[in-house]
Amino acid sequence: QTVVTQEPSFSVSPGGTVTLTCGLSSGSVSASYYPSWYQQTPGQAPRTLIYSTNTRSSGVPDRFSGSILGNKAALTITGAQADDESDYYCVLYMGNGDWVFGGGTKLTVL
Amino acid sequence: QVHLMQSGAEVRKPGASVKVSCKASGYAFTGYYMHWVRQAPGQGLEWMGWIVPTSGGTNYAQKFQGRLTMTRDTSISTIYMELTGLTSDDTAMYFCARNSRSGNYYGGFDYWGQGTLVTVSS
Repeated sequence: QTVVTQEPSFSVSPGGTVTLTCGLSSGSVSASYYPSWYQQTPGQAPRTLIYSTNTRSSGVPDRFSGSILGNKAALTITGAQADDESDYYCVLYMGNGDWVFGGGTKLTVL
Repeated sequence: QVHLMQSGAEVRKPGASVKVSCKASGYAFTGYYMHWVRQAPGQGLEWMGWIVPTSGGTNYAQKFQGRLTMTRDTSISTIYMELTGLTSDDTAMYFCARNSRSGNYYGGFDYWGQGTLVTVSS
């Protein structure tokens, strides 16, 4: 079974830029996987940032952007702020109506 | 505005069943597939399946086949998730989420419910 991979952790300096990735244990991610990204802080429901590769959800600042970089989906955060410190999850459409989440990336802003 | 309101926390004994509801408002309920996602304590998100509000058609992750049932009541814009044969591994926060595209299951999820904590303990 194909696994969706994410960096377990990442750190960024305030004001800096960070790119988180979402890949496959076997194969390449393309737009046909409809990669989507979610931000979650402890005790809260996920917040949708990006869906269908690069469509920003309502109210999400343009500091957050989605793309395909090489063989992975990517979430880029520019001008990182303290409240960007969260867990970030991607999800991919795997065919046959099935979706699979990555294990999540814990982002630290310091 | 779109709002998904879930039912309250539940406690069940091993072997029991639980049914969680998710009431939608602020949009055309029948226009969007709905998903269920869960998160065990300290763990990541796990997609469980989706339901078509118009037809009641469903698709479940293989892991839950045989003990997961999703239903809907269009008269009150509500979907339900019932999980049977509960074990301690089913202790988790359960979220409903709306599909971002109308009329199909592509695109990802856009709006989320607040979550319902299900605790399985003897």
